[in-house]
Amino acid sequence: DAGITQSPRYKITETGRQVTLMCHQTWSHSYMFWYRQDLGHGLRLIYYSAAADITDKGEVPDGYVVSRSKTENFPLTLESATRSQTSVYFCASSGGLAGGPDSYEQYFGPGTRLTVT
Amino acid sequence: QKEVEQNSGPLSVPEGAIASLNCTYSDRGSQSFFWYRQYSGKSPELIMFIYSNGDKEDGRFTAQLNKASQYVSLLIRDSQPSDSATYLCGVEISGGYNKLIFGAGTRLAVHP
Repeated sequence: DAGITQSPRYKITETGRQVTLMCHQTWSHSYMFWYRQDLGHGLRLIYYSAAADITDKGEVPDGYVVSRSKTENFPLTLESATRSQTSVYFCASSGGLAGGPDSYEQYFGPGTRLTVT
Repeated sequence: QKEVEQNSGPLSVPEGAIASLNCTYSDRGSQSFFWYRQYSGKSPELIMFIYSNGDKEDGRFTAQLNKASQYVSLLIRDSQPSDSATYLCGVEISGGYNKLIFGAGTRLAVHP
């Protein structure tokens, strides 16, 4: 199916464990983003990617690692999960190729609710 | 530090009234502005984007942009209970890479 998907949708893990959240989009969008959303903070950018093999840090990158070997996939890894990483994680993508202002429009996946115990 | 500010609400309006949601931003270089609606437990969905000063209308929604004042707003006419949600203002970060910075959102409650 076309669109942007995330897996798993829900995850409970223990402190210190490594966790990988998956994101897959079928639009061949150049740009992909990872956000976390916590009460009172809105959406905060963790990492973003402009193309395959091009990634960079956002506002809150500490404790996270990303990779992008293929345009359609953008996994987010928590190397050693902490309770402060309990949050809802959203992946998003945007076109960027057309260059017009609407190319900034970001499409969001359904989110992953992560609980670290 | 680039910032986007929104009143957290809740903004409570009666059904049929106009809801006015406001957003200010700090980056004078920002050119594109987005309003997303987010229902509880769901992902954000785009309602409108605007990049020219003035008003842009789409059905019951009107986005207003004033770059000189660094202010963008969203008006919802004939508000319905189904409009009850959190509205996120997203602002393009100048410098490329399609990055947006979001406000914390305004919670709107439309009561019958």
